[in-house]
Amino acid sequence: GAGVSQSPSNKVTEKGKDVELRCDPISGHTALYWYRQRLGQGLEFLIYFQGNSAPDKSGLPSDRFSAERTGESVSTLTIQRTQQEDSAVYLCASSLRQGMDTEAFFGQGTRLTVV
Amino acid sequence: GEDVEQSLFLSVREGDSSVINCTYTDSSSTYLYWYKQEPGAGLQLLTYIFSNMDMKQDQRLTVLLNKKDKHLSLRIADTQTGDSAIYFCAELAGGFKTIFGAGTRLFVKA
Repeated sequence: GAGVSQSPSNKVTEKGKDVELRCDPISGHTALYWYRQRLGQGLEFLIYFQGNSAPDKSGLPSDRFSAERTGESVSTLTIQRTQQEDSAVYLCASSLRQGMDTEAFFGQGTRLTVV
Repeated sequence: GEDVEQSLFLSVREGDSSVINCTYTDSSSTYLYWYKQEPGAGLQLLTYIFSNMDMKQDQRLTVLLNKKDKHLSLRIADTQTGDSAIYFCAELAGGFKTIFGAGTRLFVKA
């Protein structure tokens, strides 16, 4: 596609339920990131995938959070047993790690509300 | 470890210059970026500077890099109300991972 696509755009879930967020990066982009942005706050790094290397999971806040990426394509972020503090916008970004092309392109995000 | 820090808020009057500062920790960073997030929108790249440069100017924007102090700044000349946004500093750290700061929220008063 033309840009990074995230789905759903909005998700309301009950506390304790599991949710799965999806990110379709720009075709050919080897790097993929997940960030969390709470209301009125900055970007919080969650996880980074680079090609076939082991992902950098250092930003995942708890073991309820996990993410997968198949090759250099779609990624899913799963939050198990959601809590109210998980409410935030979850942003995905991808970039092409070649030469000068290092700009990160962001999706519009998934707004997660845990009630 | 990798860390990018920036102040959280900046308030300026319309027509004044805005200076947003950032410090980073990875001395091997090759690129440093400024991203802009307008209200209700996603992040978009505003400008970037390569680590072997000291300054980059692009219309109303001036980026200054002090590699010795690992300090990056973004100056916006003649700030307009449309410049109100969150500005994120970011570095391309070792391993090609982009590390973002928490963002500086710029308020422009008319």
